[in-house]
Amino acid sequence: DAKTTQPPSMDCAEGRAANLPCNHSTISGNEYVYWYRQIHSQGPQYIIHGLKNNETNEMASLIITEDRKSSTLILPHATLRDTAVYYCIVRAGGSNYKLTFGKGTLLTVNP
Amino acid sequence: SQTIHQWPATLVQPVGSPLSLECTVEGTSNPNLYWYRQAAGRGLQLLFYSVGIGQISSEVPQNLSASRPQDRQFILSSKKLLLSDSGFYLCAWKQGSTNTEAFFGQGTRLTVV
Repeated sequence: DAKTTQPPSMDCAEGRAANLPCNHSTISGNEYVYWYRQIHSQGPQYIIHGLKNNETNEMASLIITEDRKSSTLILPHATLRDTAVYYCIVRAGGSNYKLTFGKGTLLTVNP
Repeated sequence: SQTIHQWPATLVQPVGSPLSLECTVEGTSNPNLYWYRQAAGRGLQLLFYSVGIGQISSEVPQNLSASRPQDRQFILSSKKLLLSDSGFYLCAWKQGSTNTEAFFGQGTRLTVV
């Protein structure tokens, strides 16, 4: 799986959009970008994933650059409950069974 | 719907004692199963994964072992715990060979004293 680089921490004001970047410059054509988050003392929770098109669901939007070397997770209206560690993972589908996490970004939403 | 059960939620064990953590998945068949450990203030470390009954892949050499005696049951064990085995242990499942997300249990916080 391609390696990802994320800032270790970010701050965001409550009610504002949180934009979390991820670099995956070695991504290959069959690798998807996944985002998870982990609220303190809980198991990680899936947020969204995509291949090359931008994706949106009820939790967030995922913007993938045209060259697919980076992506941004957008939480449109951050709340205090969005304070968590956000993990960006790049992995191939099909028979790739391993699922490994980096260190992620600690997002702190401030009142 | 699919659910994942992991127990116990917390555990305090003395050094040198054995360990058995169990994880079961309901509502799916032939899932990929994973055990992770998270030391205090650290990231998620993949310990073991399994793609089928009796098939275990180990990611790091350690004092732990894993077994999958049934399709939807994944067990993490140790014969003799070390202080360094303390941490937050998470079980996860994913539908194999698909571009789908993984689902995590609520974790077991193990303290070895």
